[in-house]
Amino acid sequence: KAGVTQTPRYLIKTRGQQVTLSCSPISGHRSVSWYQQTPGQGLQFLFEYFSETQRNKGNFPGRFSGRQFSNSRSEMNVSTLELGDSALYLCASSLFGRGGSSTGELFFGEGSRLTVL
Amino acid sequence: AQTVTQSQPEMSVQEAETVTLSCTYDTSENNYYLFWYKQPPSRQMILVIRQEAYKQQNATENRFSVNFQKAAKSFSLKISDSQLGDTAMYFCAFLENYGGSQGNLIFGKGTKLSVKP
Repeated sequence: KAGVTQTPRYLIKTRGQQVTLSCSPISGHRSVSWYQQTPGQGLQFLFEYFSETQRNKGNFPGRFSGRQFSNSRSEMNVSTLELGDSALYLCASSLFGRGGSSTGELFFGEGSRLTVL
Repeated sequence: AQTVTQSQPEMSVQEAETVTLSCTYDTSENNYYLFWYKQPPSRQMILVIRQEAYKQQNATENRFSVNFQKAAKSFSLKISDSQLGDTAMYFCAFLENYGGSQGNLIFGKGTKLSVKP
């Protein structure tokens, strides 16, 4: 069974640009969550989607948005990039429920490393 | 708001020895999950061990075990017979459980564990 796949793995953007990151969850998983990981702030929750609906959102500005498609694949978009958006963006999928299966387990991808210059 | 604190930014241990990583959390909820996730240098986060708050028995997974003290809001991870492959960042995480519907993971800042030969 393929794991969570994130693309691209690495990307470099300049301030003011926008970026779209993609996440393909494990087959059968309907919940997709996104996390931002930085050395200073650690891992912070961005948002969670289930059956194409955003069910939970972290404390990030409106420049951060996402969506989920009918096949459970998800994208997140960051507009008007700032230097502070440089981070590893992690996607995680789970079988069902807001945070996972009855075990509460999330399965993570390897992440997309975004560098903003 | 729930918080997760890992007081040890870095730790090291000799191969084959035992090491304990500390984690404390703060919540007013009664039903929740606690996790330890491992993030090796390759970056993919994987689940090490999981504990449901309503279970008094400490979880064990092979060489990994936890000491869950609900009243003290403490959740430490013990790694026995440490192996070189255990070298990684370890994150303690908290997940609320609203009667089966769950929120998002709240992570600690992590502990960087180095296993030395």
